[in-house]
Amino acid sequence: EAQVTQNPRYLITVTGKKLTVTCSQNMNHEYMSWYRQDPGLGLRQIYYSMNVEVTDKGDVPEGYKVSRKEKRNFPLILESPSPNQTSLYFCASISLGTGAIYEQYFGPGTRLTVT
Amino acid sequence: DAKTTQPNSMESNEEEPVHLPCNHSTISGTDYIHWYRQLPSQGPEYVIHGLTSNVNNRMASLAIAEDRKSSTLILHRATLRDAAVYYCILRDLVSGTYKYIFGTGTRLKVLA
Repeated sequence: EAQVTQNPRYLITVTGKKLTVTCSQNMNHEYMSWYRQDPGLGLRQIYYSMNVEVTDKGDVPEGYKVSRKEKRNFPLILESPSPNQTSLYFCASISLGTGAIYEQYFGPGTRLTVT
Repeated sequence: DAKTTQPNSMESNEEEPVHLPCNHSTISGTDYIHWYRQLPSQGPEYVIHGLTSNVNNRMASLAIAEDRKSSTLILHRATLRDAAVYYCILRDLVSGTYKYIFGTGTRLKVLA
């Protein structure tokens, strides 16, 4: 089954404690992306990656890091989380191949609370 | 980046058609119009996309204005399962940017 998986699904942590949210897709998609969703602000893109070792900032990259060492994985790293990073996070992937319709496949979300 | 404007919320009766509007007055010639929806407690899912011509698929239809400054997502017969937030976004294939700007979308309420 084609899917995007995220772990953990729920995380409560404290300010300053480094954490990583993993994202993996099994569709061999080139493009992967991270979003955060906050009430009243909708979905905002944090970082995206066009392929292995290629990443770029979205609209709200401050406080986040990403890496793309393998095509299937795109972890989101919070080096020193702060309460304003409390949010619902989604990972997504897209095929950029010939004939692709650029449909984004989203993961189930990770709800992060930073106290 | 071109932006889209959508009403915050809309209501529809079950089994009736729903027309969800989206304004994108600053759209460029190479922007594709994409629609996604987000059901409660789920990630967004793709609905439909188009460039200039109207498009149909099993989920919905997309009507694009001749000047491309607006579009309408049409659900032909709304069901309770269509209650979701619907997002209209633009995607530029030419500029090389792969940023996606979702906005806050339209919350559709379907009345039984």
